[in-house]
Amino acid sequence: AQSVTQLDSQVPVFEEAPVELRCNYSSSVSVYLFWYVQYPNQGLQLLLKYLSGSTLVKGINGFEAEFNKSQTSFHLRKPSVHISDTAEYFCAVRGGTSGSRLTFGEGTQLTVNP
Amino acid sequence: EAGVTQFPSHSVIEKGQTVTLRCDPISGHDNLYWYRRVMGKEIKFLLHFVKESKQDESGMPNNRFLAERTGGTYSTLKVQPAELEDSGVYFCASSPGTLQAFFGQGTRLTVV
Repeated sequence: AQSVTQLDSQVPVFEEAPVELRCNYSSSVSVYLFWYVQYPNQGLQLLLKYLSGSTLVKGINGFEAEFNKSQTSFHLRKPSVHISDTAEYFCAVRGGTSGSRLTFGEGTQLTVNP
Repeated sequence: EAGVTQFPSHSVIEKGQTVTLRCDPISGHDNLYWYRRVMGKEIKFLLHFVKESKQDESGMPNNRFLAERTGGTYSTLKVQPAELEDSGVYFCASSPGTLQAFFGQGTRLTVV
């Protein structure tokens, strides 16, 4: 069975600072990796995904993530955050023995302060 | 193009009552998924429809939960009778294939 660990439940940062949200997964087979974001009172929105190819993936709103197979990690980064980036971020994995279902981490609440 | 629509957005019911959640997927999406997030924990898979057929229902917690997908269009998730531990946010997602899922806004269920 697959699992996803998001290493920080809460990340407070100041506006314009860089941020990294960490995600590790466990799987014995190749998987697809995703980051979703949930803004207050909204649904889950796809930020970016890794399916194959280049290990550096760029997403919406200036976010990017790097797939590291040897470290089984898929950390999310942004060089300069805005107040509007305040949201909960979810790392998820799909594939392998779990078929097309998504397996999520517990989420990381990013709070950007002025 | 309309997104995935879920309603109600919020439901408060008493223990022992019945609640039905509805999900309207994006038109043309054969795959429909239900997920649940309980008390700030991870979002967990409940089940997967392909058109009107249940492809995988291994995540359904018990037989108090019944999901249907009429004619391969909208889906309902009924909880009968509801228990306190059923409280949480229920998400629906749809996808044309198996790679990218589009999520609805969720239904927040509170059982008191």
